[in-house]
Amino acid sequence: GENVEQHPSTLSVQEGDSAVIKCTYSDSASNYFPWYKQELGKGPQLIIDIRSNVGEKKDQRIAVTLNKTAKHFSLHITETQPEDSAVYFCAASPRSGYSTLTFGKGTMLLVSP
Amino acid sequence: DADVTQTPRNRITKTGKRIMLECSQTKGHDRMYWYRQDPGLGLRLIYYSFDVKDINKGEISDGYSVSRQAQAKFSLSLESAIPNQTALYFCATSDFTGNYGYTFGSGTRLTVV
Repeated sequence: GENVEQHPSTLSVQEGDSAVIKCTYSDSASNYFPWYKQELGKGPQLIIDIRSNVGEKKDQRIAVTLNKTAKHFSLHITETQPEDSAVYFCAASPRSGYSTLTFGKGTMLLVSP
Repeated sequence: DADVTQTPRNRITKTGKRIMLECSQTKGHDRMYWYRQDPGLGLRLIYYSFDVKDINKGEISDGYSVSRQAQAKFSLSLESAIPNQTALYFCATSDFTGNYGYTFGSGTRLTVV
C-alpha cells in the first residue's frame, strides 16, 4: 500500500518568514495530493490540493509543488502569520476510485510574532 | 450546523466497557471514514464505507467495529475498550470519487482508564 513520509515533524519560524513542509510517497499510481490544516481542538481542513497532471498550484500565500519523478510534493507558506500556527498533514491517494487517502504523520508549525 | 457532526466530543470510559462513537453528515456524500489520531503517528484509517452496503477494514481495525445505518450515519464501536485505544477519533466524508478531499468532523476525544 501507499506510504507517505512527512518532514519536518516540527517547524518554528518568525512571522513574515516562509515555511516549507515536504512529503514523499511510495506508490507511483498516486495522483491526488491534498494538504490539511488542523487547528487546536478542530478537525483537519483541506487547504490546497494538487493532481499529478499539474506541477504547481498556488492560492494566495500557500502553494504546493509536485515532482512525480522523485515522488515528492511540498507545501510552501509565504509571509507567515501567527494564525498559520497549526498542524499540517499531507496525504496521497492512488488513481483508483476505490482508494483512500494515506496521511503523513503531520508537521506542527509554530509562527512566532 | 456542522457538515459532519461527531458525538460525543469527549468521553472517559473504563477498561472493558463497550462504547459507541457516532457520526452524521449533511454533505450528501456516499463515502465515510473513521480515523484515529495519536501524537506523532498522524491519522490512521480504522474503517471506511463507500456506500450503505459497503464496509471495509482499514490499517488498524482490530478491536473496533462499525455500522453504516444510513447514507448519513456511520458509527464506530469499541467492543471492550482498552487503555491504548485512548486517542482522538475523527469521522470524515467524501464524494464518490474520493478525490475531492475529505470533510472532517470536529473529533471525539476518548480516554480509557
